[in-house]
Amino acid sequence: GAVVSQHPSRVICKSGTSVKIECRSLDFQATTMFWYRQFPKKSLMLMATSNEGSKATYEQGVEKDKFLINHASLTLSTLTVTSAHPEDSSFYICSARSPGTSGRAGYEQYFGPGTRLTVT
Amino acid sequence: KQEVTQIPAALSVPEGENLVLNCSFTDSAIYNLQWFRQDPGKGLTSLLLIQSSQREQTSGRLNASLDKSSGRSTLYIAASQPGDSATYLCAVRRTGGGNKLTFGTGTQLKVEL
Repeated sequence: GAVVSQHPSRVICKSGTSVKIECRSLDFQATTMFWYRQFPKKSLMLMATSNEGSKATYEQGVEKDKFLINHASLTLSTLTVTSAHPEDSSFYICSARSPGTSGRAGYEQYFGPGTRLTVT
Repeated sequence: KQEVTQIPAALSVPEGENLVLNCSFTDSAIYNLQWFRQDPGKGLTSLLLIQSSQREQTSGRLNASLDKSSGRSTLYIAASQPGDSATYLCAVRRTGGGNKLTFGTGTQLKVEL
C-alpha cells in the first residue's frame, strides 16, 4: 500500500528558532500534499495544500510567511515553522495524494505518522 | 461552510460489544466520506471510504453507512476488542473541492477487558 513518512517524529526547539519537517511519499509520486495541524483532543485542521512545482495554497488564517511550504519533487514536501513560538507547539500531519484518477490511490489521501513539535 | 460533527465524543464499552459511531455533516454536496483511526500520538489509518453514490462499505468487523441526503454516516464495529481502542475520525470530501477533507472532532473509543 501507499506509505507516507515524516521526519522527524518529534522535535523540541527553543522559541525563535526555525524547524523543518519533511514529508515523503515512499512508493508513489504525489503531485499534491497536504499539511494539517492537530491540537490535543481536537480534529485535524488543514493548513495548506502543496502542489509540486508551484506555490502552496494556504487556508484562511494560516500565515504563509510563518509556515513555509516547499514541494520541490513528486516525493517530498517540507514545512518550515519560522521563528517558532510556544503557541506553535502542536502535532503536524502531512498527507499525500497520487495523481491517478482511477483506482484506490486516486481517491484517497495517505497520511504520515505525524510530527510532534514542542517549542520551549 | 462544511461542518462535521461526531457523537459521542468518547465511548467506553466492554469487550465483545457491538457499537455504532455517528458522524453528521451540514453540506450534503460531498464527493465521498472516509473513516479513519488514530492511535495516541500517531497519524491516521484509513478504514473505509464511501463514495457519494454508495450506501455502505464493509471491511472485516467494520461497516460504514452513508445517508447523504440526511447528512449522516455511521461506523458499526462488531464484536469489539481492546485493540479497537483509538480515536475514530470521519472526514468528508466536497464535490469539486480538489480533494480537500473536512474532519470531524472524533470519537475516542475505549474497549475494556
